[in-house]
Amino acid sequence: NAGVTQTPKFRVLKTGQSMTLLCAQDMNHEYMYWYRQDPGMGLRLIHYSVGEGTTAKGEVPDGYNVSRLKKQNFLLGLESAAPSQTSVYFCASSRTGELFFGEGSRLTVL
Amino acid sequence: GENVEQHPSTLSVQEGDSAVIKCTYSDSASNYFPWYKQELGKGPQLIIDIRSNVGEKKDQRIAVTLNKTAKHFSLHITETQPEDSAVYFCAASTRLGYSSASKIIFGSGTRLSIRP
Repeated sequence: NAGVTQTPKFRVLKTGQSMTLLCAQDMNHEYMYWYRQDPGMGLRLIHYSVGEGTTAKGEVPDGYNVSRLKKQNFLLGLESAAPSQTSVYFCASSRTGELFFGEGSRLTVL
Repeated sequence: GENVEQHPSTLSVQEGDSAVIKCTYSDSASNYFPWYKQELGKGPQLIIDIRSNVGEKKDQRIAVTLNKTAKHFSLHITETQPEDSAVYFCAASTRLGYSSASKIIFGSGTRLSIRP
């Protein structure tokens, strides 16, 4: 039982490049979330999903897109990366309340 | 929109002493208040939570109190140990409409250091 797995764990991008972060959970959870963590700002919700095929905006959605084509996967896309998107990204899933987090993906945009 | 404020941002206590972290929230509809602990290089993990129909909850050395009228809640750690050193996040949650999913908003975190 791996829980929540994020790939890749580290990535360096140049401004304007695109990339996708993949989150996979094996707990059959309905709800999945993407957060970003920045120093002194805690965890801020980017997008979330309440079920397969559904997504919704969180606190800081601009510059990101998401897709939930399969229940176990939640993808976070950056179409044109900007230095302000340098951060650690955490995916989480839940069934009723408790969030189960992945170990994070550190993204640097130069 | 919803907002959760957390204080202090850093806290250093002597081993064996108590630590208290305080949070306030803005959304009066919030009904679930979890606390997460994040160790270096890891994702946050739930350590305790409280629902809006309860004023206090305790789990061994950790306790959480909730004052819905004042919209604030606190984490209390007694008899602190070196392994308590970590970043702690409070959060407030509001159910999302018809579903049982929750939109969980986090505070900015408290870095707790335990001095030997």
